[in-house]
Amino acid sequence: NAGVTQTPKFQVLKTGQSMTLQCAQDMNHEYMSWYRQDPGMGLRLIHYSVGAGITDQGEVPNGYNVSRSTTEDFPLRLLSAAPSQTSVYFCASTDAGANYGYTFGSGTRLTVV
Amino acid sequence: GQQVMQIPQYQHVQEGEDFTTYCNSSTTLSNIQWYKQRPGGHPVFLIQLVKSGEVKKQKRLTFQFGEAKKNSSLHITATQTTDVGTYFCAGPGSGGSNYKLTFGKGTLLTVNP
Repeated sequence: NAGVTQTPKFQVLKTGQSMTLQCAQDMNHEYMSWYRQDPGMGLRLIHYSVGAGITDQGEVPNGYNVSRSTTEDFPLRLLSAAPSQTSVYFCASTDAGANYGYTFGSGTRLTVV
Repeated sequence: GQQVMQIPQYQHVQEGEDFTTYCNSSTTLSNIQWYKQRPGGHPVFLIQLVKSGEVKKQKRLTFQFGEAKKNSSLHITATQTTDVGTYFCAGPGSGGSNYKLTFGKGTLLTVNP
């Protein structure tokens, strides 16, 4: 099993550009989440999903969109990149009982210039 | 919203010394999870505590959940260089939902060999 796969690993964007961060898991997990990690700020929840077709906002959703058309995939879209979105982004998934903790992807390091 | 506070923010120890990080919540938690993130890596799930006063051990790591289920601690005995990293606690979101984890800001542990 690959676990949680995130692509790309690194990305540089210009202000105003849009892009999609990909996330896929092969563990048949119902729950998936996107976090951003900034120095001194810990992990902050952007959006989450409890199943295909169901998404909701987390703590810092502005400037990001998500969709969950399949159980496996949970892409994160940046609509119009801003320097404040420079961060490391992690996708994570867990099963519905959530007794085993989240499995995280290896992350996407995004720089907006 | 729920907040999970973690102290200290940084801890530097000599190899062989003990280490403890503390996690405090403003509300009662249904459970608490602990994660470890190596430098440049992604968070990795360590353990989940559910019961009031619960104590669990993993080799040199001891995890405790407070009687009131509002605090938790992670204690490492005789640290090794392999223990270097940031340790995060995480609690469920509103309503006790584990699909909406709130992370503390973490404690960065460095170990001098």
